[in-house]
Amino acid sequence: DIQMTQSPSSVSASVGDRVTITCRASQGVNTWVAWYQQKPGKAPKLLIYAAYSLQNGVPSRFSGRGSGTDFTLTINNLQPEDFATYYCQQAHSFPRTFGPGTKVHIK
Amino acid sequence: EVQLVETGGGLIQPGGSLRLSCAASGLSVSSNYMTWVRQAPGRGLEWVSLIYGGITTNYADSVRGRFTVSIDISNNTFYLQMNNLRVDDTAVYYCTREMAARRLDPWGPGTLVTVSS
Repeated sequence: DIQMTQSPSSVSASVGDRVTITCRASQGVNTWVAWYQQKPGKAPKLLIYAAYSLQNGVPSRFSGRGSGTDFTLTINNLQPEDFATYYCQQAHSFPRTFGPGTKVHIK
Repeated sequence: EVQLVETGGGLIQPGGSLRLSCAASGLSVSSNYMTWVRQAPGRGLEWVSLIYGGITTNYADSVRGRFTVSIDISNNTFYLQMNNLRVDDTAVYYCTREMAARRLDPWGPGTLVTVSS
């Protein structure tokens, strides 16, 4: 199985900051990585798919990059509604696997 | 509007069985890659299983041999039959769809399964 790791596990930031989350796959996954946002008690929400494609309706302050084994999710101009946990997921092979998550806290 | 809704969660003893349902509207379960993802309390997301066309299935190692995924075309619903449940199967179970470009969207609100004696 492909293992996904994320760093940092948590980050404190202020409104208006830029936050970058890194995701690494244990083997190459081409660009088959998606990013999800989850708020407490809610289902995950798709943000980015195929490494850098923005899902319809997601603000353009979210962006994704990467290919192979290393990927990033960047949130520019952090907004109050962005404080949540973010997960990467590989869709290169089965079983699909998620990273452990990165929690974005209010500083 | 595409919508998924899970039902069937509850409290079950270790070793017991439970069947979760996911009712779909706005999409056909028989022509989509329907997926189950779970989340243990306070933990991250874990991909569980996928079914396509009612025939092609895939499972996480942690549930293979105990869980079975299936679809009912007439009700446009897909199911997760969970047997020999263990305490570590306790989680919120979400149904979702793996669509074009292998993205998971939409998601149901989830149903809680608690395995405890």
